[in-house]
Amino acid sequence: EIVLTQSPDFQSVTPKEKVTITCRASQSIGSSLHWYQQKPDQSPKLLIKYASQSFSGVPSRFSGSGSGTDFTLTINSLEAEDAATYYCHQSSSLPITFGQGTRLEIK
Amino acid sequence: EVQLVESGGGLVQPGRSLRLSCAASGFTFDDYAMHWVRQAPGKGLEWVSGISWNSGSIGYADSVKGRFTISRDNAKNSLYLQMNSLRAEDTALYYCAKVAVTTRGWYFDLWGRGTLVTVSS
Repeated sequence: EIVLTQSPDFQSVTPKEKVTITCRASQSIGSSLHWYQQKPDQSPKLLIKYASQSFSGVPSRFSGSGSGTDFTLTINSLEAEDAATYYCHQSSSLPITFGQGTRLEIK
Repeated sequence: EVQLVESGGGLVQPGRSLRLSCAASGFTFDDYAMHWVRQAPGKGLEWVSGISWNSGSIGYADSVKGRFTISRDNAKNSLYLQMNSLRAEDTALYYCAKVAVTTRGWYFDLWGRGTLVTVSS
């Protein structure tokens, strides 16, 4: 099983700040890494596919990078509406796995 | 409108069974693989099971293998999860998720709102 480890688990940030969330895979997964945003009491929504491709309709302040085992989700100029938990997900092999999540709190 | 709507959740005693359904609309259901993903209260996302477009390929998490059965009825645009021998640790919000496949691989591009399963005596 491929284990995905996100850091940090929690971050409190101010609006307009730049945020970086990392996801490390226990073995190489190429670019089969995707990022989801889950706001309170909502279902997850896709932000980034294949490590760096923005999904349709996602604001341009969200970007992703990385390949192999190390990946990064960056949010530039954070907005209040970005308060959420962010998950990485690998589709390289079964069983499908997710990172433990990173909760962003907006000060 | 493209959407997935889960149903069938509820309160059930340990050891009993429950069948979840997911109704798809707004897209050609039988073109896509589908999955179930669950989220225990206050916890992260956990993959449960997946099924290919024609039911020819099915997978389960070890935690549910032998107890849960995934199926689909393409004529009814519906996905199902039969859950037997339920345990307290199966308590979660169960989401169905649609797969998007490209030449590079696949990802979840659409999620339902979920249906809550509570296993308790």
